[in-house]
Amino acid sequence: QVQLVQSGAEVKKPGASVKVSCKGSGYTFTSYGISWVRQAPGHGLEWMGWISAYSDNRNLAQKFQGRVTMTTDTSTSTAYMELRSLRSGDTAVYYCARDSEDYGGNSEGLLDYWGQGTLVTVSS
Amino acid sequence: EIVLTQSPGTLSLSPGDRATLSCRASQSVRSNQLAWYQQKPGQAPRLLIYGASSWATGTPDRIRGSGSGTDFTLTISRLEPEDFAIYYCQQYGSSPWTFGQGTKVEIK
Repeated sequence: QVQLVQSGAEVKKPGASVKVSCKGSGYTFTSYGISWVRQAPGHGLEWMGWISAYSDNRNLAQKFQGRVTMTTDTSTSTAYMELRSLRSGDTAVYYCARDSEDYGGNSEGLLDYWGQGTLVTVSS
Repeated sequence: EIVLTQSPGTLSLSPGDRATLSCRASQSVRSNQLAWYQQKPGQAPRLLIYGASSWATGTPDRIRGSGSGTDFTLTISRLEPEDFAIYYCQQYGSSPWTFGQGTKVEIK
């Protein structure tokens, strides 16, 4: 069965960076991409961006450009999302989700399997 | 970017009732690339419907999606106890992908 397993909760100070991992299993990791979505406490869902595990193409939401780095390690079927210059507004649960690559080499946007989420708390 | 507005914010219903959830887009969703997700407390979202009306694997047929263009609907014909949750619509026709703010279906 398809599974995405994320790393554990993090507590960071403002200005620091955090790196969240997402390990895929039960499917061919390099045939799909990974999108990252976050959810602030009591709020809705916000798409951050996508990386292809096949082509290494990326789409980032404009809001996160310059502050987010997405990478994959195909040898371990793991995707990573690093967020820098953390502020209190970045406190959220961060999810990874499987997301195919379309014929144009971009995210398809349909998120069919999700990780369990990683709580990132930014506090001084 | 496309803004999705869901209504109502909360739906208070009883098991066995019919639930009708609305999702309205600020502009037409390309190729009706509209999905619905269910989220329960402490859990990740789960894909229910894609392409506005196609069932994802495991979605029971009492849950149906419909609509096109800018107006979409999720209908649960007879609410089961496990259906009480928050439902989000998401458009994936135009990047950046965006979500509605959610509709909570709660037990009356």
